[in-house]
Amino acid sequence: GAVVSQHPSWVICKSGTSVKIECRSLDFQATTMFWYRQFPKQSLMLMATSNEGSKATYEQGVEKDKFLINHASLTLSTLTVTSAHPEDSSFYICSATREGSYNEQFFGPGTRLTVL
Amino acid sequence: RKEVEQDPGPFNVPEGATVAFNCTYSNSASQSFFWYRQDCRKEPKLLMSVYSSGNEDGRFTAQLNRASQYISLLIRDSKLSDSATYLCVVNRNNFNKFYFGSGTKLNVKP
Repeated sequence: GAVVSQHPSWVICKSGTSVKIECRSLDFQATTMFWYRQFPKQSLMLMATSNEGSKATYEQGVEKDKFLINHASLTLSTLTVTSAHPEDSSFYICSATREGSYNEQFFGPGTRLTVL
Repeated sequence: RKEVEQDPGPFNVPEGATVAFNCTYSNSASQSFFWYRQDCRKEPKLLMSVYSSGNEDGRFTAQLNRASQYISLLIRDSKLSDSATYLCVVNRNNFNKFYFGSGTKLNVKP
C-alpha cells in the first residue's frame, strides 16, 4: 500500500503559460502532502506543506502567488505553476504522509517541467 | 547552517567494497531519521529508517549518534545496482517537516 501518483509525468510548455500538477494518494488518505522541487544535481528543496482543507504553508523564498497549492481532499493536492518561465524548469515531486505513520513519507514519481 | 549536511561525494568504489556515508544534523530536537535512495531522474525511495539502537537490513547498516548528531549508513559487499544518490533525511515531528541532505553519490564499478 501507500502509493502516490503524479500527473503529468512530464510537461513542456511555453513561457507565460500556467501548468497544473496533480498529486494523488491512491490507496490511503493523506493527512499532509508536501511539494518539493529538485534542480539537476541538487537535493530536494521543500516548497510547501499542505493539509486538506487549509492553506498551504510555504517555505521562505517560495512565492505563494506563483506556486498555487490546492488540497481539496484527503487524496488530492494540486500545484499550479502560474506564468511559468524557463527558470521554473525543474523536477517537481510530491509526497504524502498518512494517519498513524507520520514519520514516513511516500513519494510520487515526480513531474519534469520544461519551460521554453 | 544547513539542517542536514552530507558529503556530496562521489564515492567511487569497486564491486564488493564496503562504503560508509555520514550525515550530520543541526537541530537536537530532531526525532526521526531516514536514509533514502534516489536514482537519476527518479523519485526518492525509502531505504531504511534509523533507530537509536542501530539497525541492519541485509547489507545495509544504519547508526544514529544523538550526542554527536550524526547518522551513518554502511553498505557491505557493494553491488553495481547500489549506484545511486543516498539522501539523509531528518524529521522534527512537531513540525511535521522533513529536511533533506544534499545527497551522497555512490558509483560502484565492476
